Amino acid sequence: QSALTQPASVSGSPGQSITISCTGTSGDVGGYKYVSWYQQHPGKAPKLVIFDVTERPSGVSNRFSGSKSANTASLTISGLQAEDEADYHCCSYAGSSTFVVFGGGTKLTVL
Amino acid sequence: QITLKESGPTLVKPTQTLTLTCTFSGFSLSTTGVGVGWIRQPPGKALEWLALIYWDDDKRYSPSLKSRLTITKDTSKNQVVLTMTNMDPVDTATYSCARLYGSGTSFDPWGQGTLVTVSS
Repeated sequence: QSALTQPASVSGSPGQSITISCTGTSGDVGGYKYVSWYQQHPGKAPKLVIFDVTERPSGVSNRFSGSKSANTASLTISGLQAEDEADYHCCSYAGSSTFVVFGGGTKLTVL
Repeated sequence: QITLKESGPTLVKPTQTLTLTCTFSGFSLSTTGVGVGWIRQPPGKALEWLALIYWDDDKRYSPSLKSRLTITKDTSKNQVVLTMTNMDPVDTATYSCARLYGSGTSFDPWGQGTLVTVSS
């Protein structure tokens, strides 16, 4: 069982927006600004799409955005495209003892 | 361009020790702020963070696996080595290394990963 809770699956039609949630505790998501999100296509390595809750790495589409409220972080993908179909994983700093925790992953299906 | 690549055995027997090497290019582990981590993913399951080593040799481990893990670096060879003792079939997974990104605990880029199967 993963430390962070994500929905197993979400879906949306091309052009729509979807949001994936990532729920933790005050000891991880809620306590720090270090939440990141990764996109993983089948058989491929994860790719960072959001870091530090809201920041986008260079080269990542501005259709990807991140936010956080209390102990829940969210990834929003706007203007869904077929290429966005992938697994998405959240990750958070969890203090000096636990250090890093991941979510269980969410499969995004573009209908 | 930053690249990382994992190498090591694809098959290990239960109770054996696994040794994986991450060979990287495009950055130096002697540069302030740089770190390299190991993450694994069992087939069809979630990512699990294992260990992290910083430029100053500070090391961090997953609490649940700390007793079995050792991470080291060889700055001259641009390599990070992870050893995991007492391997079990539940440790079957793709093991990946990745560079720390930014000021927190984000990882980018990642290596392609190497599938390690634990079976007798």
